[in-house]
Amino acid sequence: EDQVTQSPEALRLQEGESSSLNCSYTVSGLRGLFWYRQDPGKGPEFLFTLYSAGEEKEKERLKATLTKKESFLHITAPKPEDSATYLCAVRADSGGYQKVTFGTGTKLQVIP
Amino acid sequence: DTGVSQDPRHKITKRGQNVTFRCDPISEHNRLYWYRQTLGQGPEFLTYFQNEAQLEKSRLLSDRFSAERPKGSFSTLEIQRTEQGDSAMYLCASSFRTGSTGELFFGEGSRLTVL
Repeated sequence: EDQVTQSPEALRLQEGESSSLNCSYTVSGLRGLFWYRQDPGKGPEFLFTLYSAGEEKEKERLKATLTKKESFLHITAPKPEDSATYLCAVRADSGGYQKVTFGTGTKLQVIP
Repeated sequence: DTGVSQDPRHKITKRGQNVTFRCDPISEHNRLYWYRQTLGQGPEFLTYFQNEAQLEKSRLLSDRFSAERPKGSFSTLEIQRTEQGDSAMYLCASSFRTGSTGELFFGEGSRLTVL
C-alpha cells in the first residue's frame, strides 16, 4: 500500500531562518508528487508538482526537490505569512486508477 | 472561473440524522474527488468520479456514506445515521485528466460536527 511520511510533524522557525521539510514515500508506479499549503480551516492550496528524480520547482521562498525516495521543501528566509501546514501527496497507479495519497503534514510556525 | 465551491461550509447535526454536502467543481474538470480530514491529519481519500462514473471508493468508507455525480457536473456526499466519529472536514477536489500536471484543486471544505 502507498505510504507517505512527512517530517517533522511541527517546525518553529525564527523569521529569516531557513530550513527544509521532508516527505518520504513508498509507492509503486509514481505518477507525480505534489506539495500543498493548508491554512487553518481552509482547503489545501496547490504549490508544486514534481514528476521525476532530480526535478526542482521554485516559487518565491519555496523550492521543492525530488529523489527516488523522498522530496524536500526548502524554505529560504521565511516570513510569518509562510506559517501554515505543508502537505505532501503522491499520485500512483492503483489497479488502473491513479490514486492520490496524502501525508499528515508539517505544521510550520514562523515567529517574527 | 470561481474554483471549487462547497456547501454548506459548516454543519452541526445530532447523532442519527442524515446530512448532505454539495460540491461544484471547476467547470472544465472531469475528475472529482471527496476526501475527509480530521484535526492534525492529512486528507483521507473517500471516493473518486470520472465524469458521472464513480470509479473508486475507499474500503474505509462505511455503507452509510454515498456519493453521486449526476450528469458529470456537481457532486453530493450523503452521510446517513451520522455518528460522532463522522465529525471532520469533508473536502472536495477536482482535476483534469491525467496527462496534464494532474494536481487536485480543493474547495474550502464542509466542516461537520455531530453532537
